[in-house]
Amino acid sequence: AQKITQTQPGMFVQEKEAVTLDCTYDTSDPSYGLFWYKQPSSGEMIFLIYQGSYDQQNATEGRYSLNFQKARKSANLVISASQLGDSAMYFCAIKGSARQLTFGSGTQLTVLP
Amino acid sequence: GAVVSQHPSRVICKSGTSVKIECRSLDFQATTMFWYRQFPKQSLMLMATSNEGSKATYEQGVEKDKFLINHASLTLSTLTVTSAHPEDSSFYICSARSLAGVETQYFGPGTRLLVL
Repeated sequence: AQKITQTQPGMFVQEKEAVTLDCTYDTSDPSYGLFWYKQPSSGEMIFLIYQGSYDQQNATEGRYSLNFQKARKSANLVISASQLGDSAMYFCAIKGSARQLTFGSGTQLTVLP
Repeated sequence: GAVVSQHPSRVICKSGTSVKIECRSLDFQATTMFWYRQFPKQSLMLMATSNEGSKATYEQGVEKDKFLINHASLTLSTLTVTSAHPEDSSFYICSARSLAGVETQYFGPGTRLLVL
């Protein structure tokens, strides 16, 4: 069984500042992948970033970076230089041997002007 | 990136009617598609995994006779909500798995179902 925990139901950040969205996970699979998705109010799920459990380096994609700490089973998303368009729901997800995504409860991020 | 479409984007129906939602992978072949359900301000819950040419695998608690899934081709999966009731009102999202790159799942834009 797999589980994702996102403990921040809501977060606020000032425009142009960085923000960290927390994600911890639990899995019995030796190999797994961690994903972050963004869901704006329109409802579409937008893939942001991926980290494999055996990847040595933390993943980065533009302003997104994933702070992967395997021993602590955490995969926090860092958004640098926040923009107003970053306001959305953010979901952390894990995929293991079953090859299907399990999502966390999400964090609603609001970027303030 | 890969594109997944869903149709319709929004549907309102009367209680007791059936509603069909289509999910298409537009520029890649998807042997596996997933159907999720999302209630307001909640996470996505996997309903079923749809495999091309075989029966869908349903998650525990999901009625297979109520949520009929057909994956007739490598680019199309359909979800039919049979005899819909107001409690079936939800946001339904499909996802198609691409085998390219890191096996990312691409999501459709979702279908908002309102049953009156």
